[in-house]
Amino acid sequence: DGGITQSPKYLFRKEGQNVTLSCEQNLNHDAMYWYRQDPGQGLRLIYYSQIVNDFQKGDIAEGYSVSREKKESFPLTVTSAQKNPTAFYLCASSRGGTYNEQFFGPGTRLTVL
Amino acid sequence: QKEVEQNSGPLSVPEGAIASLNCTYSDRGSQSFFWYRQYSGKSPELIMFIYSNGDKEDGRFTAQLNKASQYVSLLIRDSQPSDSATYLCAVIAGGTSYGKLTFGQGTILTVHP
Repeated sequence: DGGITQSPKYLFRKEGQNVTLSCEQNLNHDAMYWYRQDPGQGLRLIYYSQIVNDFQKGDIAEGYSVSREKKESFPLTVTSAQKNPTAFYLCASSRGGTYNEQFFGPGTRLTVL
Repeated sequence: QKEVEQNSGPLSVPEGAIASLNCTYSDRGSQSFFWYRQYSGKSPELIMFIYSNGDKEDGRFTAQLNKASQYVSLLIRDSQPSDSATYLCAVIAGGTSYGKLTFGQGTILTVHP
């Protein structure tokens, strides 16, 4: 089955701790994205990567970091510098080029205690 | 002015009726338009995309794009209770980095039997 997986589904973190969210895709997509969704709001772009070993900041990158060492994987680290990290985090991918349709993984719900 | 705005909702329609969801965008150079469906607690699911002026139909769904009026809509014919969800409009604005989606805040649709 082709798709996007995210783990864990739920994550609890104490204030001051860094945490890494996993995103893996086996769709052979070139581009990958991380979004954040807060209750009752649309999605906001954190980081995106169009190709391996390259990534760009989105609208709300402060307090987050990413890496793209493999085509299939785009992990997101939420650092202690992120002031309001409690949110629903969504990873997406697309084929790239002229194919802009983005497909989402199931998401990780992060709660800071 | 928000970059992508959706009718505030919530929208309630009876089963079998046509549900009409609207979205306006501020960037006249926007090039790609998407509708996602999001069930409560789940990730967004791509249901329609449209790139050219006019109508695009897929089953019970029709997307309509009017670039002159900066308006995109989604019609759902023969609405079913299973269509009850939040519908997100997303746009790739002109001149932005490749694949950068900007989302509206979503419209909640309820289809009652």
